[in-house]
Amino acid sequence: DSGVTQTPKHLITATGQRVTLRCSPRSGDLSVYWYQQSLDQGLQFLIQYYNGEERAKGNILERFSAQQFPDLHSELNLSSLELGDSALYFCASSVGQVTNEKLFFGSGTQLSVL
Amino acid sequence: GQQLNQSPQSMFIQEGEDVSMNCTSSSIFNTWLWYKQDPGEGPVLLIALYKAGELTSNGRLTAQFGITRKDSFLNISASIPSDVGIYFCAGQVVGGGADGLTFGKGTHLIIQP
Repeated sequence: DSGVTQTPKHLITATGQRVTLRCSPRSGDLSVYWYQQSLDQGLQFLIQYYNGEERAKGNILERFSAQQFPDLHSELNLSSLELGDSALYFCASSVGQVTNEKLFFGSGTQLSVL
Repeated sequence: GQQLNQSPQSMFIQEGEDVSMNCTSSSIFNTWLWYKQDPGEGPVLLIALYKAGELTSNGRLTAQFGITRKDSFLNISASIPSDVGIYFCAGQVVGGGADGLTFGKGTHLIIQP
C-alpha cells in the first residue's frame, strides 16, 4: 500500500459527459501529480500541484483541469469526454517539489468512455 | 518532449532465468529511475540512479546509469513468479521539474513456470 488513495477505482461514462477523479496523497506529502496511462502512449504527465499551487504542466488538454485543496487532496476534472480519453489515470505524491524524489503512486482510476 | 525507447516490449521467460531490459534516449538525463507495475496497481519505484556509470542493486535487481547518460539497464537475476509485471524506466532531464520526467512505454515480463 503506497498510502496514496484514489477514488473511484472504475468509472464508466458516455461521450460528452464530465467526471471528477479524486486523490488523497500520503500523509505529509505536499506535491500531487496526475498521470494518464494508455496502451499506446504509456505514462503521460498531466499536471503537478504543490501545497495548493500549480507547479508544472504537461500534456494536459484544455478540457481537463485540476486543483489541490487546503487539506492537500486533489481532484482531476475531465469534461466533454471523448472515446480517446479512456485510460488509466494515476495520482502520485511526493514530499517536496522535485521529481527525482520518490514518487508514490495510487492504484489508479480506470476510465471507460463509451 | 523527450522520447525514451524501452526494449524489449515484452519478454516470455522461464522461472529461474535472468532478465535484461534497457532504455535509450537521444537526450541526456541526470536521473534514471526504474519502476514496476503489478496488475491493478500503480508503479512502485525499484531503483534510482543519479550518476553516470552508477551501478545499484536492490536484491536480485541491478540497474546501471549509462556512461553517455543517454541509457540505462535493468537486470533481474534468477527470476521468480512474483517478478511478473510491467517494468518502466523514467529519465529526468537536468533542471527539469515534473514535466521533465519522461517514462518509457514499459517492458511486460511474463514468466512461464
